Amino acid sequence: SQTIHQWPATLVQPVGSPLSLECTVEGTSNPNLYWYRQAAGRGLQLLFYSVGIGQISSEVPQNLSASRPQDRQFILSSKKLLLSDSGFYLCAWSWLGSSTDTQYFGPGTRLTVL
Amino acid sequence: AQTVTQSQPEMSVQEAETVTLSCTYDTSESNYYLFWYKQPPSRQMILVIRQEAYKQQNATENRFSVNFQKAAKSFSLKISDSQLGDTAMYFCAFIRGSNYKLTFGKGTLLTVNP
Repeated sequence: SQTIHQWPATLVQPVGSPLSLECTVEGTSNPNLYWYRQAAGRGLQLLFYSVGIGQISSEVPQNLSASRPQDRQFILSSKKLLLSDSGFYLCAWSWLGSSTDTQYFGPGTRLTVL
Repeated sequence: AQTVTQSQPEMSVQEAETVTLSCTYDTSESNYYLFWYKQPPSRQMILVIRQEAYKQQNATENRFSVNFQKAAKSFSLKISDSQLGDTAMYFCAFIRGSNYKLTFGKGTLLTVNP
C-alpha cells in the first residue's frame, strides 16, 4: 500500500526566514506529486505539481518554489517568508500517466509566520 | 474557469439519520471528474467518493452515495446512518481532463450529534 509523509507537522517561523517543507511517498514509483495550501476557512488551492523528477509546474505566482530531487520526494521552499504564507500545506500524490486520477493527501503541515 | 459551489456552510444531523450535502459546479468541459473529500479535525484530507462524468450510474461507497445530475451540474453527497465519526468538513472538488488541478469548493462543516 502507498503512504505519504509530510514534515514537519507544525512550524512557526519569523517573517523573512527561509522555509523547507518535505513530502515523501512510499509504495509507488513515479507518482504525480502536488502541493496545495489551505488558508483559514477556505478550500485548497493548488500551488505546484510535478509529473516527474525535475518537472515542476507552478499554478500560483508567489515567493514559494518547489523541487523534486528524487522520484518520491517533493520539497516546498521559500527564501523569505511573508505573513501571508501562513496556512495549512498539504502534499498529495496520484498515479503517473493520468491527470485526473484520484489525489491522495498527506497529513499536512501547519505553518504560522509571525 | 471552473468553479465549485457549496451553498451550505454548516449542517447538523442526528446520529443514525441521513443527510445530504449539496454541490454545484460550472464547466464547459465534457471530460471531468468529481470528488467528495472529508477533512476531520486532524485536517488530513480523505477521499470519500469519486464520480466520472461519463458514467451515468451514481457512485456509492458503503454509507456514502452521490446524486450526479450532469445537465444541472449538481453533485450532492448523501450520508446514510450517520455516525459520530462522520463529523468533519466536507469538500466537493472537480478536475477536468489533462489539467492535474483539483478545484475545491469552500466546504460544508457537518456535525453529527449523539
